[in-house]
Amino acid sequence: KAGVTQTPRYLIKTRGQQVTLSCSPISGHRSVSWYQQTPGQGLQFLFEYFSETQRNKGNFPGRFSGRQFSNSRSEMNVSTLELGDSALYLCASSLASGQITEAFFGQGTRLTVV
Amino acid sequence: GIQVEQSPPDLILQEGANSTLRCNFSDSVNNLQWFHQNPWGQLINLFYIPSGTKQNGRLSATTVATERYSLLYISSSQTTDSGVYFCAVEPSAGGTSYGKLTFGQGTILTVHP
Repeated sequence: KAGVTQTPRYLIKTRGQQVTLSCSPISGHRSVSWYQQTPGQGLQFLFEYFSETQRNKGNFPGRFSGRQFSNSRSEMNVSTLELGDSALYLCASSLASGQITEAFFGQGTRLTVV
Repeated sequence: GIQVEQSPPDLILQEGANSTLRCNFSDSVNNLQWFHQNPWGQLINLFYIPSGTKQNGRLSATTVATERYSLLYISSSQTTDSGVYFCAVEPSAGGTSYGKLTFGQGTILTVHP
């Protein structure tokens, strides 16, 4: 059974540009969450989608957005990139069925803003 | 929001030693997971353990939900155990927490040969 797949693995962008990251969850999983990891702030929650609806959002500016498609694949977009957006972006999927909420993570996308 | 504290922040061991990592959390939880972050950044699932005890090879974990802590035990450590170990929780407070894991700051484990 394939795991969570994130693309691309690495990205270098210039300040002011925008970027789109993709996440394909484990087959059958309907919940997708996104996290940002930086050395200073650790792992921080960005947002969570379930059945194409954003159910929860972390404390990030509006430049960070996301969406989920009918096949549960998700994308996150960061507009007007800043140097501080350089980070490892991790996506997680879970079955989100009843009380079972175990999350499985992808390999991440390492974004560098120059 | 819920607070998660991990200790110790750093741990240095000789190969073959045993260790205990601790995770304290400030509220009741639906989900508690232990992860090992590999050198490439991926979070590898170790345990899904909102309560009780589980074992997987040299690793075991115990969560005492009523006292709001979890322990990860690593026995006979190997150099490949090196890396960062994270505890993450999802509070059982309801809708606003749904789908959101709150992570501790991690324990950096170094195992020397």
